[in-house]
Amino acid sequence: NAGVTQTPKFQVLKTGQSMTLQCAQDMNHNSMYWYRQDPGMGLRLIYYSASEGTTDKGEVPNGYNVSRLNKREFSLRLESAAPSQTSVYFCASSAGTSGGNTQYFGPGTRLTVL
Amino acid sequence: AQSVTQLGSHVSVSEGALVLLRCNYSSSVPPYLFWYVQYPNQGLQLLLKYTSAATLVKGINGFEAEFKKSETSFHLTKPSAHMSDAAEYFCAVSDDLGRGSYIPTFGRGTSLIVHP
Repeated sequence: NAGVTQTPKFQVLKTGQSMTLQCAQDMNHNSMYWYRQDPGMGLRLIYYSASEGTTDKGEVPNGYNVSRLNKREFSLRLESAAPSQTSVYFCASSAGTSGGNTQYFGPGTRLTVL
Repeated sequence: AQSVTQLGSHVSVSEGALVLLRCNYSSSVPPYLFWYVQYPNQGLQLLLKYTSAATLVKGINGFEAEFKKSETSFHLTKPSAHMSDAAEYFCAVSDDLGRGSYIPTFGRGTSLIVHP
């Protein structure tokens, strides 16, 4: 039982390049999330998927797109990377979005955009 | 709209001393409240959560938190700090966004430093 896995762990991009961050969970969870973590800013929600087949914007969606590929996988795409997207990205999952659900986090992807 | 304020971006204590990390929230409805811990170079993991049962919630590693509605607070405490408690701590609140979805909002985090 691996929990939430993310690939890659580290990535360096040049401005304008594109990439996709992958996330998978093996807990049969319905809901999945993408956050970014910046120093002094805590975690900010980029997008979430309450259930398979649905996605919704979070607090900071600009410059990102997501795909809920199936129940297990939720990917985050940067179409044209910018230095402001340098951050640590965390994927999380939960059983659902009803109150009190615990989120389970992956180990993160450290992205640097030059 | 919900929000979380964590007082103090850094808290420094001596090993064996009391740990107190402060969290105040705003929410239009009774909230669900969480404390998560992040060890260096890792993802977040749940310490404890309040879901409208007992107001004093006990979590892992000897931590506990008390929900005080009148003060809109959910402060995290531990009687005696251990070196292994050094980490980043995040308070989070979730309430109904109006679509039946409860998505947590996280505070900015408090870094706990433990001195020998």
